Amino acid sequence: ETGVTQTPRHLVMGMTNKKSLKCEQHLGHNAMYWYKQSAKKPLELMFVYNFKEQTENNSVPSRFSPECPNSSHLFLHLHTLQPEDSALYLCASSQDTGQGGGYTFGSGTRLTVV
Amino acid sequence: GENVEQHPSTLSVQEGDSAVIKCTYSDSASNYFPWYKQELGKGPQLIIDIRSNVGEKKDQRIAVTLNKTAKHFSLHITETQPEDSAVYFCAAGDSWGKLQFGAGTQVVVTP
Repeated sequence: ETGVTQTPRHLVMGMTNKKSLKCEQHLGHNAMYWYKQSAKKPLELMFVYNFKEQTENNSVPSRFSPECPNSSHLFLHLHTLQPEDSALYLCASSQDTGQGGGYTFGSGTRLTVV
Repeated sequence: GENVEQHPSTLSVQEGDSAVIKCTYSDSASNYFPWYKQELGKGPQLIIDIRSNVGEKKDQRIAVTLNKTAKHFSLHITETQPEDSAVYFCAAGDSWGKLQFGAGTQVVVTP
């Protein structure tokens, strides 16, 4: 365990479904991130939250909707996804975005859109 | 913005040999360079990092070197073991904490 917990580990959903991914950290970090990892591609930054405020939305389609109720929890709400959205979704945290330090990643949610 | 290129994409080495992965970055403001190891079914885990005021850092069998002038940094793994088999990612970040990742290198260590 890295200290960043993601649930569920695996998710299969239809294109009309609505589901949510959850990320939780108790490392005392103030920044949290969502990344998309597709095969043979660099990690794609999706969203950044610092002290619960969204500081970056990397041109992510509106069918992905993040929520950060507090510094320890981060959600990614999914609706009307496309098959190309199938990927490993990774959550990460860091001390805060101004520190320039390393990230701690969760194990990811393997999402399959059918 | 920052662009990080990583080579090679796959690397097969004999157990006991050394492995070297190279990355280049474009943004001269980058001052933090971590390396991550991702094993099957897990998220990336930080294995070593280096800041721009240091040219080399070593931790047991792994070492990282940085050439700021050329905007190159490399990961060196010596005396490779089967458990070193994984995907390795380099990254470059600035003082704002944003990391840009390379595309990854699949390392396979054969006994």
